[in-house]
Amino acid sequence: GENVEQHPSTLSVQEGDSAVIKCTYSDSASNYFPWYKQELGKRPQLIIDIRSNVGEKKDQRIAVTLNKTAKHFSLHITETQPEDSAVYFCAAERNWIQGAQKLVFGQGTRLTINP
Amino acid sequence: DAGITQSPRHKVTETGTPVTLRCHQTENHRYMYWYRQDPGHGLRLIHYSYGVKDTDKGEVSDGYSVSRSKTEDFLLTLESATSSQTSVYFCAIRATGYGYTFGSGTRLTVV
Repeated sequence: GENVEQHPSTLSVQEGDSAVIKCTYSDSASNYFPWYKQELGKRPQLIIDIRSNVGEKKDQRIAVTLNKTAKHFSLHITETQPEDSAVYFCAAERNWIQGAQKLVFGQGTRLTINP
Repeated sequence: DAGITQSPRHKVTETGTPVTLRCHQTENHRYMYWYRQDPGHGLRLIHYSYGVKDTDKGEVSDGYSVSRSKTEDFLLTLESATSSQTSVYFCAIRATGYGYTFGSGTRLTVV
């Protein structure tokens, strides 16, 4: 089955700097890659996603890139702010035959923005 | 939020007792999922459903069972709770366009 590896497990950056989180996946048939942000005690919330027919997607200060050949994708946060501090999860979904769509998550990255 | 609610929000139970967690959705989504979240492991899939009475196992299904007798409800049962099942449990739905939305979670403590 699918396996998603996420690095680093913790990341600390100065406010205003950029942060990059990287994930690799094992199943070349995976075609959907979302990123979730989880604040302490809250539910994971989708912040951006990308599909396998697209190489890059951007939404204000957040961008995701996908390299299908290398089977890795990355989250980029620019001009970081204190409210970006949270745990971030990457995930991958393989579009199986009807009825078997499921999301596999990476282990998470705890991002801390230092003022 | 996105019409998905979990109950209870918190529960403490004793080892060996059965426990049922409920996930309820109001938007008629076909796909529903149960994940558990533990430090260092991210979110791991327990069971999922792709329709009424259609369910399948995830990566950590041992000790858990599920049922979906109607579209809006997906139940997770721990037949005989163990301390290793102390965790935060999240239900999720898969909306059209691939987006998954999570419930608020249930914090379960087995003592």
